[in-house]
Amino acid sequence: TQLLEQSPQFLSIQEGENLTVYCNSSSVFSSLQWYRQEPGEGPVLLVTVVTGGEVKKLKRLTFQFGDARKDSSLHITAAQPGDTGLYLCAGTDTNAGKSTFGDGTTLTVKP
Amino acid sequence: GAGVSQSPRYKVAKRGQDVALRCDPISGHVSLFWYQQALGQGPEFLTYFQNEAQLDKSGLPSDRFFAERPEGSVSTLKIQRTQQEDSAVYLCASSLDSSNQPQHFGDGTRLSIL
Repeated sequence: TQLLEQSPQFLSIQEGENLTVYCNSSSVFSSLQWYRQEPGEGPVLLVTVVTGGEVKKLKRLTFQFGDARKDSSLHITAAQPGDTGLYLCAGTDTNAGKSTFGDGTTLTVKP
Repeated sequence: GAGVSQSPRYKVAKRGQDVALRCDPISGHVSLFWYQQALGQGPEFLTYFQNEAQLDKSGLPSDRFFAERPEGSVSTLKIQRTQQEDSAVYLCASSLDSSNQPQHFGDGTRLSIL
């Protein structure tokens, strides 16, 4: 069974602080996705990483994929209240089609 | 609309009743996925279609769960003889195909079994 563990489970910070959340897997995936989910809505894709060691930036968000393609991190610089939400990572196997999700990190950014 | 549409948004049923949840994927998307998300957890895979073919149903919790996509577009997830542990949000996602294409999620159906 492929598992994705996310840490921390909960994170509460002040506006302007930096933070990093982690996603660790027991298995190698073809690709890894980061999603953000708000209450009452479905997950919204932020980024897909495919290559080991890959780094992608999306405004204040920086995503890294580990060299062994088994772990990933999401770093947010100068967090804003609008960043509040549940951040989910998911691993996808091309052949299997389906995605395996972690249980997410619930981020709260206080003004 | 351009996104994945799910209906109903909320469903309350008594234990033992049958329910049917509908998913309208993005037009032209070949792959369709159903996930179950319990409170405080990430989505868990239930089943996957490529066009009308159900290629993987390994995540369906029991034979009370049944999914279909007869014309390769709209999909229905049916749960028979519902039980309290079926209470969850049921998410549908679609993608152009399954080869590393992004999955686009609907807003889900929140199912509550009393």
